[in-house]
Amino acid sequence: GQSLEQPSEVTAVEGAIVQINCTYQTSGFYGLSWYQQHDGGAPTFLSYNALDGLEETGRFSSFLSRSDSYGYLLLQELQMKDSASYFCAVRDDGDSNYQLIWGAGTKLIIKP
Amino acid sequence: EPEVTQTPSHQVTQMGQEVILRCVPISNHLYFYWYRQILGQKVEFLVSFYNNEISEKSEIFDDQFSVERPDGSNFTLKIRSTKLEDSAMYFCASTGTGGSAGELFFGEGSRLTVL
Repeated sequence: GQSLEQPSEVTAVEGAIVQINCTYQTSGFYGLSWYQQHDGGAPTFLSYNALDGLEETGRFSSFLSRSDSYGYLLLQELQMKDSASYFCAVRDDGDSNYQLIWGAGTKLIIKP
Repeated sequence: EPEVTQTPSHQVTQMGQEVILRCVPISNHLYFYWYRQILGQKVEFLVSFYNNEISEKSEIFDDQFSVERPDGSNFTLKIRSTKLEDSAMYFCASTGTGGSAGELFFGEGSRLTVL
């Protein structure tokens, strides 16, 4: 089967750094995306990694290791507004060319 | 900034009734999607649509579901005979590149409650 594994919940302190891991098992792999979703809101795109390495966008960075089927999202200088759920999603170019396969999401709780 | 818009934001219906959820994707996008999210759970793919036909669909997208692009702007999801388990948030999404960017633009969702 196809699956993505990520922690269900992570707690961190405002101003700190937090890493959310994602491991995947899919029939094919085209790239790993990260989305942020606030309660009741739509998922919003954060980053996309198709190649190994680190991609940095402001306070957020995303890493991919295709050989390990693993990626992570790194959030620095945490702010209260970063409290949300974070989903990793794989674009699978095996049997499914256009769908994203989603992890169950990681709820990030930030404490002052 | 262009955005995906969805209507209605919330619909309550009786089991067995037909429901149509509407979406207006970003105007220059070519690939359109419907996803659903049951409260507190992960986002699930339903269907993708390109060039006026379904590209992919999941096991969830059975004969009770259909999609249509009736004109140049709207993209609709129809559920013919709703079931209790269809209660969820339904998200429409679109993208301009489809196969490479990894970024989908989501609407704010339509919450469907089936009683």
